[in-house]
Amino acid sequence: ETGVTQSPTHLIKTRGQQVTLRCSSQSGHNTVSWYQQALGQGPQFIFQYYREEENGRGNFPPRFSGLQFPNYSSELNVNALELDDSALYLCASSSQTGRGGNTIYFGEGSWLTVV
Amino acid sequence: GESVGLHLPTLSVQEGDNSIINCAYSNSASDYFIWYKQESGKGPQFIIDIRSNMDKRQGQRVTVLLNKTVKHLSLQIAATQPGDSAVYFCAETFSGGYNKLIFGAGTRLAVHP
Repeated sequence: ETGVTQSPTHLIKTRGQQVTLRCSSQSGHNTVSWYQQALGQGPQFIFQYYREEENGRGNFPPRFSGLQFPNYSSELNVNALELDDSALYLCASSSQTGRGGNTIYFGEGSWLTVV
Repeated sequence: GESVGLHLPTLSVQEGDNSIINCAYSNSASDYFIWYKQESGKGPQFIIDIRSNMDKRQGQRVTVLLNKTVKHLSLQIAATQPGDSAVYFCAETFSGGYNKLIFGAGTRLAVHP
């Protein structure tokens, strides 16, 4: 167990809808990152939050947005869902500076299916 | 759960044998590397990491080797067990930037009794 918890575990949405995924980071971890993993591929970095601010972003459109709360938990929001958004969404937490080089632990993910 | 590694290269080994999984990384500036194990329907599980100032690091039954000259990383698993069957990913990052991991393509390890 990594101590990183995500919800919901599975959900189905219709194209054009909006979705919110949630993550609680490991105790003591102040940095949360989100990744998208399509079937048969490695995870792709979406963005990272450190001290409630976005600290880096991958190649994802603005309809992917996030929040981090004072307790370091986080949300990933995706608007105007497209079929290609169907994937496993992973939350990862780490500690300290928000810089690289710190051990990163993943949650079990949220499976999103867009129909 | 759904499979995350439908069309990945597969390494098949006999139970008890040693396994070697290889990975080529992309960024010469990367200085921190991690191996993750991902079982079907689950998130990536941290196995072992290594920093660029080292070329070898050992854990319990696992060893990671780093060759910066050719940008190559390998994971060695001793006495492979059926529970080791999973998809294995290497990931790289740069400690001077934010915690963005770049993942390799992944290798499926199949352990046969």
